Amino acid sequence: QKEVEQDPGPLSVPEGAIVSLNCTYSNSAFQYFMWYRQYSRKGPELLMYTYSSGNKEDGRFTAQVDKSSKYISLFIRDSQPSDSATYLCAMSEVSAGGTSYGKLTFGQGTILTVHP
Amino acid sequence: DAGITQSPRHKVTETGTPVTLRCHQTENHRYMYWYRQDPGHGLRLIHYSYGVKDTDKGEVSDGYSVSRSKTEDFLLTLESATSSQTSVYFCAISDTWPLYEQYFGPGTRLTVT
Repeated sequence: QKEVEQDPGPLSVPEGAIVSLNCTYSNSAFQYFMWYRQYSRKGPELLMYTYSSGNKEDGRFTAQVDKSSKYISLFIRDSQPSDSATYLCAMSEVSAGGTSYGKLTFGQGTILTVHP
Repeated sequence: DAGITQSPRHKVTETGTPVTLRCHQTENHRYMYWYRQDPGHGLRLIHYSYGVKDTDKGEVSDGYSVSRSKTEDFLLTLESATSSQTSVYFCAISDTWPLYEQYFGPGTRLTVT
């Protein structure tokens, strides 16, 4: 079983829809939770991050982390065709010594298409 | 792409040949990473570096080696390429604790025939 599970989709929605993307994980040591966005034939870029549990909002994007359920979500409001991309969740633990060297564990990625 | 270049961008090679991929950065970041991306697996860490000559293994390091003799260059070598190493390879850099924000290069598409 993978440490991080993400439904690969593909997910197709009409413009203006609310999109919900989710990941589950099994490693209780994960403390940092990230969402990366990857356009076709490009490298991923960081979209949002959250430390531990809670919500974080940035414009049309909201990230939620529920550590008790080992479940994270990304919501996109008023989705636009420019949001069409692959969304990857990523997670990182911090070791007892306080360092992780930035070793990220990624989900499989969800392919999202927003059609006009 | 945040001052990161990868070369070559595309390569086709035969099984059993050695292959070296280069990642070059102009950001002077301390930490550098090599990932591979395959359908159904997302991105998986191959090796990483936390300084010149300081490297360590990631999740899928078998069949790969790395070297970092200068801050700006991180080389990934496939010692004897196999078809299972056909993939898209991404280099990433980071310098801001706790290192979750990584800047990725444009990728190298490698095909092993």
